[in-house]
Amino acid sequence: GAVVSQHPSRVICKSGTSVKIECRSLDFQATTMFWYRQFPKKSLMLMATSNEGSKATYEQGVEKDKFLINHASLTLSTLTVTSAHPEDSSFYICSANRDRQADIQYFGAGTRLSVL
Amino acid sequence: SQQGEEDPQALSIQEGENATMNCSYKTSINNLQWYRQNSGRGLVHLILIRSNEREKHSGRLRVTLDTSKKSSSLLITASRAADTASYFCATDHHDYKLSFGAGTTVTVRA
Repeated sequence: GAVVSQHPSRVICKSGTSVKIECRSLDFQATTMFWYRQFPKKSLMLMATSNEGSKATYEQGVEKDKFLINHASLTLSTLTVTSAHPEDSSFYICSANRDRQADIQYFGAGTRLSVL
Repeated sequence: SQQGEEDPQALSIQEGENATMNCSYKTSINNLQWYRQNSGRGLVHLILIRSNEREKHSGRLRVTLDTSKKSSSLLITASRAADTASYFCATDHHDYKLSFGAGTTVTVRA
């Protein structure tokens, strides 16, 4: 199967610090990765689409300077929450397509971010 | 933007019973997918049904799609305690991005 690894699984940080979350496709090359945010008992909200070698495409209302995305290789995308504040506390999940034509997304296990 | 709406929000059933949940969406789709999420974890793909398909089976799962009503249903037959999870429908509107519904939380009582 297609395995996506997300790290860390949980992070607690102080307000004002930056946090980096990694998303790796372990056994396939992912030209496209997606970053979602999920509030408790709510749906997944797409934040941005990460394309290898090019700039990420952000959804409306998502601050690109706040949520920095880097997709430097075919197996790694990173999301950096800059100057995190308590309202950024959430569950962040990444997913990857095997290739641009694929329909199915493979998800990481998610990262629980708590900003104090 | 969020497209799917799921019904019911929560479902509690006895082991061995069937569980049915529904999903409605607003605009035309390329395909509709169902995912499962265990508490505090990522999502696992269950089944995909394309816009030109009406029904699909996978093990104990049965999915139907009615594009005229813009709705889909997921049936889990002979439920097990291990089926306890949240189930999400996700729609692909021809752009390979997925729009997720709010999910149905299923609790299977032993």
